[in-house]
Amino acid sequence: GESVGLHLPTLSVQEGDNSIINCAYSNSASDYFIWYKQESGKGPQFIIDIRSNMDKRQGQRVTVLLNKTVKHLSLQIAATQPGDSAVYFCADYSGAGSYQLTFGKGTKLSVIP
Amino acid sequence: NAGVTQTPKFQVLKTGQSMTLQCAQDMNHNSMYWYRQDPGMGLRLIYYSASEGTTDKGEVPNGYNVSRLNKREFSLRLESAAPSQTSVYFCASSPLQGAKTEAFFGQGTRLTVV
Repeated sequence: GESVGLHLPTLSVQEGDNSIINCAYSNSASDYFIWYKQESGKGPQFIIDIRSNMDKRQGQRVTVLLNKTVKHLSLQIAATQPGDSAVYFCADYSGAGSYQLTFGKGTKLSVIP
Repeated sequence: NAGVTQTPKFQVLKTGQSMTLQCAQDMNHNSMYWYRQDPGMGLRLIYYSASEGTTDKGEVPNGYNVSRLNKREFSLRLESAAPSQTSVYFCASSPLQGAKTEAFFGQGTRLTVV
């Protein structure tokens, strides 16, 4: 089965608000997590990653939080913009041999102008 | 800098026909992947190649074969296409030397089997 999964399939936020997208994982041996953004008709694009020796990592307007105790990670987008509208996936190398990059089902973020 | 290039971008096949999806990367990456993405779904791993000369099954390998032709190229073959294989196919590559890093994706091949 999937190693990662998402709690909510859709999320609508007002422009300028902060967005929080959640992801749960099941493999306690997972040690590296990636967030991807996929715009309509395009391939997934890397947003930010985090290794299991960290609890938090910040990028430009994005922050990823990792809670290993409950096997949960989240992606926070500050001051959400219309260009942030997309599907967001979390992924990790959690399969046998650790070369399998496994994706969750994704959350569709819609930004309301 | 092209990154990951997939060909073709669109393809329509009749049931039972065969075809090969091509993928090439110019980043000197060791690992390459093939995924399929159905509407409203996440990406499911079909096959992957951890390094040149090796290939392994992913989550949904049935009906597909792969060839890691060299370090740059990783092809996906459908021997006898079925309507259930209608999907968008993505190829990806990753360095995977030592520390794990992100994978880079192509723009996808949209395949319709009628």
